[in-house]
Amino acid sequence: DTGVSQDPRHKITKRGQNVTFRCDPISEHNRLYWYRQTLGQGPEFLTYFQNEAQLEKSRLLSDRFSAERPKGSFSTLEIQRTEQGDSAMYLCASSLSGTLSYNEQFFGPGTRLTVL
Amino acid sequence: AQTVTQSQPEMSVQEAETVTLSCTYDTSESDYYLFWYKQPPSRQMILVIRQEAYKQQNATENRFSVNFQKAAKSFSLKISDSQLGDAAMYFCAYRSASGYGNKLVFGAGTILRVKS
Repeated sequence: DTGVSQDPRHKITKRGQNVTFRCDPISEHNRLYWYRQTLGQGPEFLTYFQNEAQLEKSRLLSDRFSAERPKGSFSTLEIQRTEQGDSAMYLCASSLSGTLSYNEQFFGPGTRLTVL
Repeated sequence: AQTVTQSQPEMSVQEAETVTLSCTYDTSESDYYLFWYKQPPSRQMILVIRQEAYKQQNATENRFSVNFQKAAKSFSLKISDSQLGDAAMYFCAYRSASGYGNKLVFGAGTILRVKS
């Protein structure tokens, strides 16, 4: 399977703990996006990388959130001092930039975070 | 900022019948893309159909077609000959064609139920 993969698929943690999620994009894709989806809502943009550079961050991304994409391949999203409001599905997507492409974003299966 | 509104939280359709899902959006831009994504239960989101704003012709993909009304900022999805496998959450999404990265802005979604 050469699609976008995310690990873990599910994470249950206690309030105040730190969690880290990983996303592996489609191998030739240079753009990587993180979105957050709460129950019954559409995904909301969190942040975006082109290669290893983080080019845009949403105001939703508080100081407790940090994302990295070392070497422009996989990405990690860390949430420090988790709060119950952080409970959501965290989606990763990747795309390939190019003037001939409308840059379709391919989504991973998501990581469902539950904060107790 | 751009917004996307899906006013139908839930829709039902009989197998083999046709159903239309509504979407309106707000933007001051003239060049953009519109998408419909399908998210089956516990499965990852996949692209159903896309429309470039500069194209007047409505996009069609097999049983899926759109009615794009740029002046009215309306973008509905028509599913013909509905199948049980069409049951899912459907999201309408907007993406600017200018700048970099170009995050997706999603509506709240419409749950489609297909009755046999």
